[in-house]
Amino acid sequence: AQSVTQLGSHVSVSEGALVLLRCNYSSSVPPYLFWYVQYPNQGLQLLLKYTSAATLVKGINGFEAEFKKSETSFHLTKPSAHMSDAAEYFCAVSNRGGGYQKVTFGTGTKLQVIP
Amino acid sequence: EAGVTQFPSHSVIEKGQTVTLRCDPISGHDNLYWYRRVMGKEIKFLLHFVKESKQDESGMPNNRFLAERTGGTYSTLKVQPAELEDSGVYFCASSQGLAGGVDTQYFGPGTRLTVL
Repeated sequence: AQSVTQLGSHVSVSEGALVLLRCNYSSSVPPYLFWYVQYPNQGLQLLLKYTSAATLVKGINGFEAEFKKSETSFHLTKPSAHMSDAAEYFCAVSNRGGGYQKVTFGTGTKLQVIP
Repeated sequence: EAGVTQFPSHSVIEKGQTVTLRCDPISGHDNLYWYRRVMGKEIKFLLHFVKESKQDESGMPNNRFLAERTGGTYSTLKVQPAELEDSGVYFCASSQGLAGGVDTQYFGPGTRLTVL
């Protein structure tokens, strides 16, 4: 069975500081990995996804994540936080293969950006 | 292109009442999924349709929940009778159903259900 663990339900950073949101996964085979973001009063938006083409994945709004197989991690980073980055972020994993790809989510990390 | 839409955005009902949530997927997406997030917990899978057929309903909590997808287009999720523990945000997602490669799911804004 696949699963993801997000370390820290709440993370606070100062505006302009590095954003680091942690995600570790568990899967019997190399999975697909995703980061979704939910801004206040909005739905889930796909930030980026790892599909094995490259271990460093760039997403929207300046975010990127690096797949590290040895550490079973897929941490999300952004060099400089903006106030608009305040949101809840979800790491997710799905199995590979054709057909049905079941997605399993982490518990989410709320990012607060302090001016 | 329109994204996944859900209706209503909020619903407040009393215990024992019935509520029906609706989801309209992205046009052309054969796969449709329902998820639920209870406050503070992870987003949990409820069920998956391919066109009008239920492929996996292993996440449905109990038989008070009934999902349908008429003609393989929009889907409804009915809760009857609603209980307090059904409160949460219900998300719908859709995907194309690719034969190879990653089949990305696109999510709607969710319906926030409050059962009093």
